[in-house]
Amino acid sequence: KQEVTQIPAALSVPEGENLVLNCSFTDSAIYNLQWFRQDPGKGLTSLLLIQSSQREQTSGRLNASLDKSSGRSTLYIAASQPGDSATYLCAVIRETSGSRLTFGEGTQLTVNP
Amino acid sequence: KAGVTQTPRYLIKTRGQQVTLSCSPISGHRSVSWYQQTPGQGLQFLFEYFSETQRNKGNFPGRFSGRQFSNSRSEMNVSTLELGDSALYLCASNRGGSTDTQYFGPGTRLTVL
Repeated sequence: KQEVTQIPAALSVPEGENLVLNCSFTDSAIYNLQWFRQDPGKGLTSLLLIQSSQREQTSGRLNASLDKSSGRSTLYIAASQPGDSATYLCAVIRETSGSRLTFGEGTQLTVNP
Repeated sequence: KAGVTQTPRYLIKTRGQQVTLSCSPISGHRSVSWYQQTPGQGLQFLFEYFSETQRNKGNFPGRFSGRQFSNSRSEMNVSTLELGDSALYLCASNRGGSTDTQYFGPGTRLTVL
């Protein structure tokens, strides 16, 4: 059974700081890993998708890496801003599960002005 | 390009009633998945439909059911509502491949009294 863990559960940083969010998964037989952002009471916004054959993806101030063999991914946020405050979720798709995503519990990020 | 839409956005029901939620995927997307999000359990997979067929199913009781129409729109039905069914219900769509980015709707907030 695939399990996804995110550390830390919550993080509070001053504006401008670079930060790293961690995601680990137990079953390395995955198709891809996706990072999402969720604002309170809202749906999920896709940030980055990393295919199992890739090592990293970048979008603006965001960089996500994937180490499939060790079951780990990191989301790096550069020069954080108060608008980055949200819950960040990682999710994996297993090789045998169609489009089914297995989610971590999320990291609640607060960026203080 | 319009995003994933869900209706209604908010619902209040009483125990024992039934409810139907609707999800319209992004144009051209053939896969629709449903998730339940609660503070205690996080995001849990309900089921996925692809080309009008259920392709995957999570571990929810038979009171939760769904269907997909020929235009890829999907509905989810919950019968005999329980207090524990109160949650944010999210749907996601993608083109259908396991390597595709998934896009989420804004969700339907269901409150069961």
